Amino acid sequence: DTGVSQDPRHKITKRGQNVTFRCDPISEHNRLYWYRQTLGQGPEFLTYFQNEAQLEKSRLLSDRFSAERPKGSFSTLEIQRTEQGDSAMYLCASSLAGSGTDTQYFGPGTRLTVL
Amino acid sequence: ELKVEQNPLFLSMQEGKNYTIYCNYSTTSDRLYWYRQDPGKSLESLFVLLSNGAVKQEGRLMASLDTKARLSTLHITAAVHDLSATYFCAVVTSFTGNQFYFGTGTSLTVIP
Repeated sequence: DTGVSQDPRHKITKRGQNVTFRCDPISEHNRLYWYRQTLGQGPEFLTYFQNEAQLEKSRLLSDRFSAERPKGSFSTLEIQRTEQGDSAMYLCASSLAGSGTDTQYFGPGTRLTVL
Repeated sequence: ELKVEQNPLFLSMQEGKNYTIYCNYSTTSDRLYWYRQDPGKSLESLFVLLSNGAVKQEGRLMASLDTKARLSTLHITAAVHDLSATYFCAVVTSFTGNQFYFGTGTSLTVIP
C-alpha cells in the first residue's frame, strides 16, 4: 500500500501563471478531497469527489480553481491566473465510503509559492 | 457555518507531565477526528470518535467525545519529546456532507 501521493511537492510560479497539481489516492478509496492549508491554520476544505463525480465545492473556491477526477482514480487541481494569496500548502486526502469511520488519509501536500 | 475551536493554541510542557487539549464545535457532529502534523509534513490520523461517550487510547494519548457538550478532549499522559507536533481536531456533520471542518490546531512542544 503506497498511501496518497501528490505531485509536485513544491511549485514556485509567477503571478498570473496557471498551475496544475496531481493527487493519486489510495487505490481502493472512492472519495477524494482537496484542502488548502496556510501557515498556522488548519486545513480548509476546497472540494470533494466520490468516484468521478464532484459532489461538493467550497463557497470560498473562486472560479480560478477547478478540479477533475476523470476516471475516478487520480485527480488534478488547476489554479488559473495565480495570485499571491494562493500561496499555501495544497493537501489531498482519500477515504473509503462505507468503511464506518470514513477516515481521511492525507498525502504529503504540494507547497505553492506565487511570486 | 460550523466552527471548530481548539485551546490552547500553543502548549509548552515538561516531559513527564499531563495535559489536556480541548476541541469545541458549534453544531451537532456525526464524527470527530484527531490528527497529528509534524512540521513540514502531512496529517496523520490518530483517532476517530463516533458516538457520545466514546473514548479511544493509543499510548500516551487518550481522546474522548461529549456530543451533548459539543466537546472533545485529547489527554496527554506523561509527555515525551516525541509527542511534540501540532494536533488538529476535525468535525463532520450530516449538514455539511463529507466536509471536514478543522480546528486551528494546538502546537505542542515537550521540553526535556
